[in-house]
Amino acid sequence: DAKTTQPTSMDCAEGRAANLPCNHSTISGNEYVYWYRQIHSQGPQYIIHGLKNNETNEMASLIITEDRKSSTLILPHATLRDTAVYYCIVRPNTGNQFYFGTGTSLTVIP
Amino acid sequence: GAVVSQHPSWVICKSGTSVKIECRSLDFQATTMFWYRQFPKQSLMLMATSNEGSKATYEQGVEKDKFLINHASLTLSTLTVTSAHPEDSSFYICSANGQGIGYEQYFGPGTRLTVT
Repeated sequence: DAKTTQPTSMDCAEGRAANLPCNHSTISGNEYVYWYRQIHSQGPQYIIHGLKNNETNEMASLIITEDRKSSTLILPHATLRDTAVYYCIVRPNTGNQFYFGTGTSLTVIP
Repeated sequence: GAVVSQHPSWVICKSGTSVKIECRSLDFQATTMFWYRQFPKQSLMLMATSNEGSKATYEQGVEKDKFLINHASLTLSTLTVTSAHPEDSSFYICSANGQGIGYEQYFGPGTRLTVT
């Protein structure tokens, strides 16, 4: 079962930063947080993941709170192509299964 | 790198027939492959996990005799929907991970199945 909660939808102006929150208050010590996105009728695309420290790559930044109970995915300069459903997933300690929650539908507005 | 393909991208079949969907890792060895199903406007639901050379592990509520999964090589897994019915119409997506690419799952583009 999914261990995360996310807002159902968000809007963001093109060129501005998109900040997508995720709550994972029951996360355990060694469980990682992963972010994926799914553009309509395509397979999900990996964005970023982290354990404790903040992470950054060419796509996004991931900010994890000190108590690890929540995180925020940041798309620094949103473009129209970033319109998608964004999923925050907690990977369990045992096994590699991903259980997807409902995700956040992000719409980037021109 | 880490590309996963699926074939076919869409398929239409008649009720009562079986259909096979292939999932291939193109540039890495997939020690584990996963199959998901996604209904319109819903999230992905994990159906099963398969490790190369082993029997698949099915999630609760997924009929293993209806959704046959084979993972005979490190680059290929197949999902066969047997005796398909209209309620099996869905978007089927596979993913894979393997040695050298961490625990990230890389997803295929999905297969749209329509049962008439």
